[in-house]
Amino acid sequence: DTEVTQTPKHLVMGMTNKKSLKCEQHMGHRAMYWYKQKAKKPPELMFVYSYEKLSINESVPSRFSPECPNSSLLNLHLHALQPEDSALYLCASSHNNGNEQFFGPGTRLTVL
Amino acid sequence: SQQGEEDPQALSIQEGENATMNCSYKTSINNLQWYRQNSGRGLVHLILIRSNEREKHSGRLRVTLDTSKKSSSLLITASRAADTASYFCASASEDDSWGKLQFGAGTQVVVTP
Repeated sequence: DTEVTQTPKHLVMGMTNKKSLKCEQHMGHRAMYWYKQKAKKPPELMFVYSYEKLSINESVPSRFSPECPNSSLLNLHLHALQPEDSALYLCASSHNNGNEQFFGPGTRLTVL
Repeated sequence: SQQGEEDPQALSIQEGENATMNCSYKTSINNLQWYRQNSGRGLVHLILIRSNEREKHSGRLRVTLDTSKKSSSLLITASRAADTASYFCASASEDDSWGKLQFGAGTQVVVTP
C-alpha cells in the first residue's frame, strides 16, 4: 500500500465546532506532516511528527491540536477556528526525514 | 515564512512543446525535490536530486541543479494536456534534521491540446 489517505474530503464547520481531520499511511513511514495550503499558494508546514513524537510546531495557533496515536495515524483536532483558517489541509509521510514525501489528497475545510 | 522563488509564475504552452521552470532557494541543501499538484488535490512527488548531483532524468522530466547559484530547473519535454498542473520545487536544508521542506511559490502550467 503506497497511499496516504485523509478523511473527510470536505468539512464545513462553524466557529464554535470541534472537529478532527484524520490521516493514515501503511508504508511504515516514521515521519508524518500536516500542511495548510491556501489557493494558489505553496503548502505551509504546520507540524512534523517523527517516530510518533512532535518534532516541529511552526508556531501554529492552539486552536489546532495534532495527535499521533500510533505510527500509522495522524490526527488534527480543530476547535474554535476562524474563517481565515479555511484552506486545504494536507497530510504527508516520508520514510526518513528529508526524503520524498507522500501526500494525501487533502481535506478541504470551510469555516463559517 | 515564504520559501524559495519560482519562475515563471504561470506558463501556457501547446501539446508537444517543452516546458521549463526555474527555482531558487536560500540555504545549503541535502536535496531538492519537485512536486506536481493537480487543482485542489494532493502533491505528487516527481523527482529528487541530491546536492552532489547536477542532472537527473525521469521519463520526460529533466532536472538540473546548480548549487553555486542555489538554483534548479525542471524541463518537461513533449508536453501533454495531462501535464496541466502546478509544479513546486522544495528544498531540504542540510541544517534541518526533521525533514522540513522549503517550498517555492510554484509554477502554474497549462498545456492546451
